[in-house]
Amino acid sequence: DQQVKQNSPSLSVQEGRISILNCDYTNSMFDYFLWYKKYPAEGPTFLISISSIKDKNEDGRFTVFLNKSAKHLSLHIVPSQPGDSAVYFCAGDDKIIFGKGTRLHILP
Amino acid sequence: DVKVTQSSRYLVKRTGEKVFLECVQDMDHENMFWYRQDPGLGLRLIYFSYDVKMKEKGDIPEGYSVSREKKERFSLILESASTNQTSMYLCASRSSGPALSEQFFGPGTRLTVL
Repeated sequence: DQQVKQNSPSLSVQEGRISILNCDYTNSMFDYFLWYKKYPAEGPTFLISISSIKDKNEDGRFTVFLNKSAKHLSLHIVPSQPGDSAVYFCAGDDKIIFGKGTRLHILP
Repeated sequence: DVKVTQSSRYLVKRTGEKVFLECVQDMDHENMFWYRQDPGLGLRLIYFSYDVKMKEKGDIPEGYSVSREKKERFSLILESASTNQTSMYLCASRSSGPALSEQFFGPGTRLTVL
């Protein structure tokens, strides 16, 4: 049973445009959600989080939206930059359950 | 500068060998985790530990055990390595408490079992 799902294995976006990465979850008990970014041969690094009592959290170019009724969250990156090319994982607490990840390619 | 270190970046072992993967964190974190990352499967939780001498199974504990004798160290043990345990292994730690706390990951150990 996959509690956190990322249905798009990859996404390509033009540099300067908006990247939108999506995530669905089934566990209504998650208190917060996190996004991680991973480069090859490195461990994931924390990007941004959102509490389940909020519907939006913004940090610079990164904004996470949470739609609890739809059990859906999304990460928006505006504007997309070449250094954003990586694999992005969404995760739910408490044991930090990860989705399968979405590979984002930023095209020049 | 916070740090999670893993004993090896690359490891090659033979089928049937006992394998130890070590993880050390210097942040005095209570919680520690072991994941494996495989193509198309993302990060899957093997075991986690809320505190010293405490451990709980994650989603895929079969074929693995763990040891947490000291707060800073969390070891993953493959009792008898098999080829399907060839993978990237990632250790993480975080502090406990009611507030949200991010995980810090080590660089990973790429294990190949021949």
